[in-house]
Amino acid sequence: EVQLVESGGGLVKPGESLRLSCAASGFTFSSYAMHWVRQAPGRGLEWVSSTTATSGFRFYADSVKGRFTISRDNARNSLFLQMNSLRDEDTAVYYCTRDSGDFGGALGDLWGQGILVTVSS
Amino acid sequence: QSVLTQPPSASGTPGQRVTFSCSGRSSNIGSKAVNWYQQLPGVAPKLLIYSNDQRPSGVPDRFSGSKSGTSASLAISGLQSEDEADYYCAVWDVSLNGWVFGGGTKLTVL
Repeated sequence: EVQLVESGGGLVKPGESLRLSCAASGFTFSSYAMHWVRQAPGRGLEWVSSTTATSGFRFYADSVKGRFTISRDNARNSLFLQMNSLRDEDTAVYYCTRDSGDFGGALGDLWGQGILVTVSS
Repeated sequence: QSVLTQPPSASGTPGQRVTFSCSGRSSNIGSKAVNWYQQLPGVAPKLLIYSNDQRPSGVPDRFSGSKSGTSASLAISGLQSEDEADYYCAVWDVSLNGWVFGGGTKLTVL
């Protein structure tokens, strides 16, 4: 089955770190760019970060630049998001999503179920 | 405030045709292809339209997209109760070097 499954979310305090993982299955993971998109409670969608198929290029939203790092392990069909110096405003459901190709395609032709990250003291 | 502007709400009755607008600028909609997403309550978004007017496999032809200049539109014809959802537009912004989303439009089927 073609799917994305996120893990690693939870409750952390401001300033702490968390690493999200996304396990891909059912397709050739190494052929696709991947993205992270988040949604704060009751709010709209916000793009967080993207990586090309071979990690040659990585892009970040200004709101997370310098704090978050996207990476991937094509041998393990996995996408990661290392989140450091977390803030209250990073509280959201984080979605792992697939591009329709190796970047330049359509963001989000496949989505994970989402994982909740809560930052609170 | 979102880079792309969408009206916060829209409504229609079953069978009706409704349209959603998405307004941007030359650095995003004016130069790149627009995607549209449907998010039903409590679940992940789903790609509805890509490359301005293309439907992924499985999306009914009741859904259609278009783009003109720095604005894009999503239309739903033959509105059904199950279309009640939030609808988002998104596009790559060449100035920001990142994807931007609209704030979303909540569709209510009366």
